[in-house]
Order: sequence, then C-alpha cells, then structure tokens
Amino acid sequence: SQTIHQWPATLVQPVGSPLSLECTVEGTSNPNLYWYRQAAGRGLQLLFYSVGIGQISSEVPQNLSASRPQDRQFILSSKKLLLSDSGFYLCAWGTGGWNTEAFFGQGTRLTVV
Amino acid sequence: DQQVKQNSPSLSVQEGRISILNCDYTNSMFDYFLWYKKYPAEGPTFLISISSIKDKNEDGRFTVFLNKSAKHLSLHIVPSQPGDSAVYFCAASEGNAGNMLTFGGGTRLMVKP
Repeated sequence: SQTIHQWPATLVQPVGSPLSLECTVEGTSNPNLYWYRQAAGRGLQLLFYSVGIGQISSEVPQNLSASRPQDRQFILSSKKLLLSDSGFYLCAWGTGGWNTEAFFGQGTRLTVV
Repeated sequence: DQQVKQNSPSLSVQEGRISILNCDYTNSMFDYFLWYKKYPAEGPTFLISISSIKDKNEDGRFTVFLNKSAKHLSLHIVPSQPGDSAVYFCAASEGNAGNMLTFGGGTRLMVKP
C-alpha cells in the first residue's frame, strides 16, 4: 500500500532563517506531488505541484520554493522566512488520473517567530 | 475569488441526528467533487467523492449530493456520531487537472453526545 511521510511535525523558526520541509511517498511510482498550506482559520491553498522529477509549477507567488530531486521526494524550502510564512503545511500525492483523489501527509506546523 | 465556498464555519448536531454540510462552487469546469475530514494537527483524510455525471453517491453513513444547476453539493452524515466531530473540507477539481484540488474554507462539525 502507499504511504506518505512528512517531517518534521512541528517547527519553530526565527524570522530570516532558512526552511526545508521534506516529503516522501512509498509504494507508488511517478506520483503527482503537491504542497498545500493552511493558514490559521482558513482552507487549504495549493502552493506547488509536480508531475515529475525536476518539474515544479507554482500556484501563488511567495517566499517559498519547491524541488523534486527524486521521483518520490518533494521538498519545500525558503531562504529567509517571514512571519507570514507561519501555517500548517501539507504534502499530498495522487496518481494524476482523471477524477481521482489526493492523499495527504500528517502536516508540519510551522511557527515563525 | 474563492471558487469553492463553505458558508457555514461551524455546525453543532446531536448524536444520532443528521448532519448536513453544504458547499457551493463557481467554476463550471469542475467535474469532480470530494469531501475530506480533518482532525487538529493531522492531514485531511479522504471521505467520499462524486463525479459530475452523478447526483448522489453513498458510502455507509455518508452520502454526497450534487446539484449541478445550482453549483451546490452537500454531505449528509446519518446517524451522526461523536467521532465525526472534525473539520470537513469540500474540494473540487477539473477532470484533466489530475489531483489538483481547490478547497473550501472548511466547516467544523461538533456532534454532541
């Protein structure tokens, strides 16, 4: 069966520090991968998606970037965090097929102080 | 502009009664609709979905209804149980967009014993 791992679960970082969140998927090949963010009291916003190694599409302009160095690895990064980057970050995967669901990791609670 | 809206931020229901969660969308290109359930500090878990070619899909206690002309869908939970207490997100996608989901803001359901 397929599983998705995301770490760390919680992270407190000072403003201006770098960020690296990692997500890996097991049990499937060539998944579509996604990074979402849930700001406090709000819905989930799609940040990045990837349909293959090295292929990254950004949905919203921001202080973050994403990379996919391996087929089942997706990384969310920032060179310098802002207070507004605080939120709950979720990695998800899907087959990319027509009318199929996405499956989410456990999320990372990021607090920028 | 929010393409998927959940206008009720919270809903309180007595155990054993029906819970009805509502969702409206504006993008007529959406043809696949999903409901996710989310507990605090966890990732959303897929609950049930419906394709635009159907107007009803049932899975145990959960039924999703789709009214395409009104661009409205609803999730019915019967009977409601205390373990159903969570935040429920409505999501939608265009069939050719893989698993790229547009989410509503969520509805917090509280089922009282």
